[in-house]
Amino acid sequence: AQTVTQSQPEMSVQEAETVTLSCTYDTSESDYYLFWYKQPPSRQMILVIRQEAYKQQNATENRFSVNFQKAAKSFSLKISDSQLGDAAMYFCACLGTYKYIFGTGTRLKVLA
Amino acid sequence: GAGVSQSPSNKVTEKGKDVELRCDPISGHTALYWYRQSLGQGLEFLIYFQGNSAPDKSGLPSDRFSAERTGGSVSTLTIQRTQQEDSAVYLCASSLTSGSGNQPQHFGDGTRLSIL
Repeated sequence: AQTVTQSQPEMSVQEAETVTLSCTYDTSESDYYLFWYKQPPSRQMILVIRQEAYKQQNATENRFSVNFQKAAKSFSLKISDSQLGDAAMYFCACLGTYKYIFGTGTRLKVLA
Repeated sequence: GAGVSQSPSNKVTEKGKDVELRCDPISGHTALYWYRQSLGQGLEFLIYFQGNSAPDKSGLPSDRFSAERTGGSVSTLTIQRTQQEDSAVYLCASSLTSGSGNQPQHFGDGTRLSIL
């Protein structure tokens, strides 16, 4: 069974500052992937970043980076130089064999 | 278009009526997923298709829910005798193949279903 936990229902960050969103997971799969998706008010889920569990190097995509701690089953998302357009719901997800399990999300507010 | 297309965008219906939600995946994507997102909640897995077959229907909440996929493309999610607790956003996603993190899911904009 897989579970994904996001313990921060809401976070705020000042524009241009850095914020970290937390995610912990549990899976019985030996080979799995982790993702962060962004959901703006338009409802569409947008892939932000992904991490292969077998890779030790943390994934980065421009202003977005992750801190993947496999032993601790932790997968946090860091957003640098926050922009107003980053305001959205952020979901952490774990992919095992084929099924994605999503966390309950963190609402990020960006303050001007 | 190039993305996952869902219709209708919004649906309002009376309790007890049947509804059909449609998903048109990205061309060539063999895997298709349905999720339900209740207000302020995460995504709840409903069903997964690989081609036309559904290896995992474990997420369907009750026997009022069913889904089919024909021609390895379009999928319809049907809810019979709708109840107020069925009100949610229903999201569809597709991926080139299943089970590969190198082929992440691409989501549609969802159908917002409101049961009066």
